[in-house]
Amino acid sequence: VQMTQSPSYLAASPGESVSISCKASKSISNNLAWYQEKPGKANKLLIHSGSTLQSGTPSRFSGSGSGTDFTLTIRSLESEDFAVYYCQQYNEYPPTFGAGTKLELK
Amino acid sequence: EVQLQQSGAELVKPGASVKLSCKTSGYTFSNYYMSWLKQMPGQNIEWIGNIYGGNGGTGYNQKFKGKATLTVDKSSSTAYMDLSSLTSEDSAVYFCARSTRGRGWFAYWGQGTLVTVSS
Repeated sequence: VQMTQSPSYLAASPGESVSISCKASKSISNNLAWYQEKPGKANKLLIHSGSTLQSGTPSRFSGSGSGTDFTLTIRSLESEDFAVYYCQQYNEYPPTFGAGTKLELK
Repeated sequence: EVQLQQSGAELVKPGASVKLSCKTSGYTFSNYYMSWLKQMPGQNIEWIGNIYGGNGGTGYNQKFKGKATLTVDKSSSTAYMDLSSLTSEDSAVYFCARSTRGRGWFAYWGQGTLVTVSS
């Protein structure tokens, strides 16, 4: 299953809201996770099952979608949110990832 | 606190093999799956395979069969990945990551190990 993320780069300011899209090449039900990557830190699971926040994920993060189209939304950006975000499907083997979206400070 | 501590960076010659480790703590090793993943610069993260801590049962991405061999040492709660016949295409950062199910999300990740294949 190919995962297509967009945009590849996104520039925003603290306080703004942003959305990242992830499209699967076939239906994956809601078997999708979102991760955050920051330099020098282990990747962090934010959301699984399309929209379920992992324990410890701030409520300004939300996930939506099912089937082939999914969205990660971050409301009221904080400075710590500037990072790279990946989606991952686990509906089929092998699990596959999107190419990532780099969220940069405008 | 769940922790996955990966071994340090490796510089290896073409044709050689390397064994990476992922030492875990903070949870019952036998109850979870450990996956290994590869990320080359500018490329998507690729899933190599997984191993169940309880019985050592493995599953591999067809692409990495013959390249990677996954093992565990339950006594030390450590997962290992052997990479053989290394080429420049194996130069990458390799991650270990824990999942509850064989096919699922990865709730915890190691920090990654950089492998550089160069003569």
